[in-house]
Amino acid sequence: DAGVIQSPRHEVTEMGQEVTLRCKPISGHDYLFWYRQTMMRGLELLIYFNNNVPIDDSGMPEDRFSAKMPNASFSTLKIQPSEPRDSAVYFCASSLGRTSNTEAFFGQGTRLTVV
Amino acid sequence: DQQVKQNSPSLSVQEGRISILNCDYTNSMFDYFLWYKKYPAEGPTFLISISSIKDKNEDGRFTVFLNKSAKHLSLHIVPSQPGDSAVYFCAASSHGSGNTGKLIFGQGTTLQVKP
Repeated sequence: DAGVIQSPRHEVTEMGQEVTLRCKPISGHDYLFWYRQTMMRGLELLIYFNNNVPIDDSGMPEDRFSAKMPNASFSTLKIQPSEPRDSAVYFCASSLGRTSNTEAFFGQGTRLTVV
Repeated sequence: DQQVKQNSPSLSVQEGRISILNCDYTNSMFDYFLWYKKYPAEGPTFLISISSIKDKNEDGRFTVFLNKSAKHLSLHIVPSQPGDSAVYFCAASSHGSGNTGKLIFGQGTTLQVKP
């Protein structure tokens, strides 16, 4: 398996524009997580899905952020409209959460810069 | 509200010496703890974990210690090698009755091992 695949690797956009980040989890994993890495808070959990259903979106900072998982092999994180303070590295991760070992596998991340 | 805290942003040690990275948590429901390692421009990768029923887990040069009464865990690397230089994240999860698989991360500690 190629692991968790995120696209794009880098995104530069102007303030006010819509940004869509994409993630393909590891096949067979039933949990998918979106994290944002910041200096102050480290890896901050934004939202996670179980079997394509959003379970906890309490980490989503504002209504400008939304996430979907239309099927088991694809998820998107959308920011609309984007703001400079959204600049960060966004990670997607997947895991077999129902096992005792809840190791999550991460993608390489998307570095978002909003100017 | 940071449930998992890594109070040392950085640590520098000499090659061959021991590296000790610390992590504190506030949620007594956490029952599984993990350490992740992150190199620049890559996603975090799983390093070692420990269940709350244990107080120590060892894997080669890496040992994780858990002190439940103090809500504290630590990662020991001995001997430290220059290739260990990376950001280390502590993470915790609560299985409970639902086994959510939700991982909460700390802010990270940047380890530099000097040759």
